[in-house]
Amino acid sequence: DTEVTQTPKHLVMGMTNKKSLKCEQHMGHRAMYWYKQKAKKPPELMFVYSYEKLSINESVPSRFSPECPNSSLLNLHLHALQPEDSALYLCASNQGVTTNEQYFGPGTRLTVT
Amino acid sequence: EDQVTQSPEALRLQEGESSSLNCSYTVSGLRGLFWYRQDPGKGPEFLFTLYSAGEEKEKERLKATLTKKESFLHITAPKPEDSATYLCAVQEMTTDSWGKFQFGAGTQVVVTP
Repeated sequence: DTEVTQTPKHLVMGMTNKKSLKCEQHMGHRAMYWYKQKAKKPPELMFVYSYEKLSINESVPSRFSPECPNSSLLNLHLHALQPEDSALYLCASNQGVTTNEQYFGPGTRLTVT
Repeated sequence: EDQVTQSPEALRLQEGESSSLNCSYTVSGLRGLFWYRQDPGKGPEFLFTLYSAGEEKEKERLKATLTKKESFLHITAPKPEDSATYLCAVQEMTTDSWGKFQFGAGTQVVVTP
């Protein structure tokens, strides 16, 4: 089973709202990732949790904050977003050691109004 | 400077018309090269991992090859269901336990009946 699940599938939020995206995997993977993907562009890495250590893409604004409650779950908390943050948010996971393919979830389509 | 470049940007094929996609990369040390297929509005679907020059992998009508500077994804006798964006990603040798993925911009393939 190589399934990564994400909820919700779609989210519309205003610029003053607080919302969270959720990601779950039951493959025993030790690394989980958040990516942002704009239309017709490749995924851009936002955050990595690997062996309980967080790595951040320095260009990601602080209105995005990740949380890893346990090794199977990864949340992305959203606060005071801007319209340009509208995108497909993808979660991925892998074993987290040496070379290893990442398995992606279906994504959450986020629209900020 | 782009480390992963895919060509062509878009490819339109007749059903049964074989073709190749290119992914060229410039990294100091390659840990792995990955091919993904992505349908519109969905997460990337893992296809292949290649580790060293000369390696080849096959799956149905797809065959991936790797040299020291580039990888090719060959599509043999494509069918309309092969229509998708094909993404290439490169993982560099790093001290991280997870290893950063660099994605190419993708090749959008359309196969017409």
